[in-house]
Amino acid sequence: AQSVTQPDIHITVSEGASLELRCNYSYGATPYLFWYVQSPGQGLQLLLKYFSGDTLVQGIKGFEAEFKRSQSSFNLRKPSVHWSDAAEYFCAVGGNRDDKIIFGKGTRLHILP
Amino acid sequence: NAGVTQTPKFRILKIGQSMTLQCTQDMNHNYMYWYRQDPGMGLKLIYYSVGAGITDKGEVPNGYNVSRSTTEDFPLRLELAAPSQTSVYFCASSSGTDSGANVLTFGAGSRLTVL
Repeated sequence: AQSVTQPDIHITVSEGASLELRCNYSYGATPYLFWYVQSPGQGLQLLLKYFSGDTLVQGIKGFEAEFKRSQSSFNLRKPSVHWSDAAEYFCAVGGNRDDKIIFGKGTRLHILP
Repeated sequence: NAGVTQTPKFRILKIGQSMTLQCTQDMNHNYMYWYRQDPGMGLKLIYYSVGAGITDKGEVPNGYNVSRSTTEDFPLRLELAAPSQTSVYFCASSSGTDSGANVLTFGAGSRLTVL
């Protein structure tokens, strides 16, 4: 069965510091992987996605993620965070378009001024 | 372009009442989903649909029903509301044409409280 694990429930970083959010997945075939962001009281917005090809993918707002098949991971990174990045981040995995998409429990990011 | 529209935004129900959460999309997407979000639990898939007339259970379908009579609409029905159904519900849709995968467009959510 497909599953997603985000081991960090909360992460706090200082503004301007680098960020890495962890995501591990379980999927029986080649996965489609996603990161979504949710600001307080809002719906979810796609940050980036990985389908195939280059394992380092770029997204919006300066985020990137790296797919590592050997580690079943898809970690999200940003070189320098801004106060506006404070939000909850969700990793998700799915297969082809007829497959369901499963989300992790999320990581809430706090930014220190 | 409205995207995915959910109504109502907020609702309070008494135990045992029934209600329908409405979801409509104007993007001609074939794929539609209902998720619930509880604090610290992420999003759990309730039901999904790959096209009009086709629905399938997700991770947590008990206590809910769906129908998909048109491409645009995917209502979620709660027949006998229970406190465990207090949650924020998100509807999402996808064209399924982005490299054969589903990139989800979410609605703004519906907050339901069952007392």
